[in-house]
Amino acid sequence: QKEVEQNSGPLSVPEGAIASLNCTYSDRGSQSFFWYRQYSGKSPELIMFIYSNGDKEDGRFTAQLNKASQYVSLLIRDSQPSDSATYLCAVTVNQFYFGTGTSLTVIP
Amino acid sequence: GAVVSQHPSRVICKSGTSVKIECRSLDFQATTMFWYRQFPKQSLMLMATSNEGSKATYEQGVEKDKFLINHASLTLSTLTVTSAHPEDSSFYICSAKGQGSYGYTFGSGTRLTVV
Repeated sequence: QKEVEQNSGPLSVPEGAIASLNCTYSDRGSQSFFWYRQYSGKSPELIMFIYSNGDKEDGRFTAQLNKASQYVSLLIRDSQPSDSATYLCAVTVNQFYFGTGTSLTVIP
Repeated sequence: GAVVSQHPSRVICKSGTSVKIECRSLDFQATTMFWYRQFPKQSLMLMATSNEGSKATYEQGVEKDKFLINHASLTLSTLTVTSAHPEDSSFYICSAKGQGSYGYTFGSGTRLTVV
């Protein structure tokens, strides 16, 4: 079983809508959870990290963590075309594990 | 914020030659450096982890004699792809974690094409 699983998508949402990205992980010992955005041909850039159960908001982004369900999500409010990218979920146990990424397209 | 400078951004080399990729942490000390490889439309795959002054720890299936990693200082780590072959063509990315910092800072990546 993969450490981190994401729906590969592609996920398409209209401009201004909420995009919801989901991630599940297998190791209950996972400690830290990250969301990265990666544009084609570019390196990933950190959007948010979360450690505790609940929600964490930063601007248009909200990360949600539920350790009991081993689930972490990222909500993007008021989606913009510039948000179109691949979003990588990452989890740290003894090392950093990345999901396969979800491709998001925001349609103008 | 923390910055990791990675060079070169693109390199084309002939089969059988060696290529060195450098990653420098510009404003923090990178106690640990991670090297990833990413093939098209796939996620990042960890190749190896290096700590300053120690030998790198390679992931299963990664040839340590082919992918030489040196982390001689707290601000510089290098990956050398020796005797490169076309199947080594990929996007190579380094990532560093400073002592006491959250998250990991990625370099800008190196697109390697072996012809």
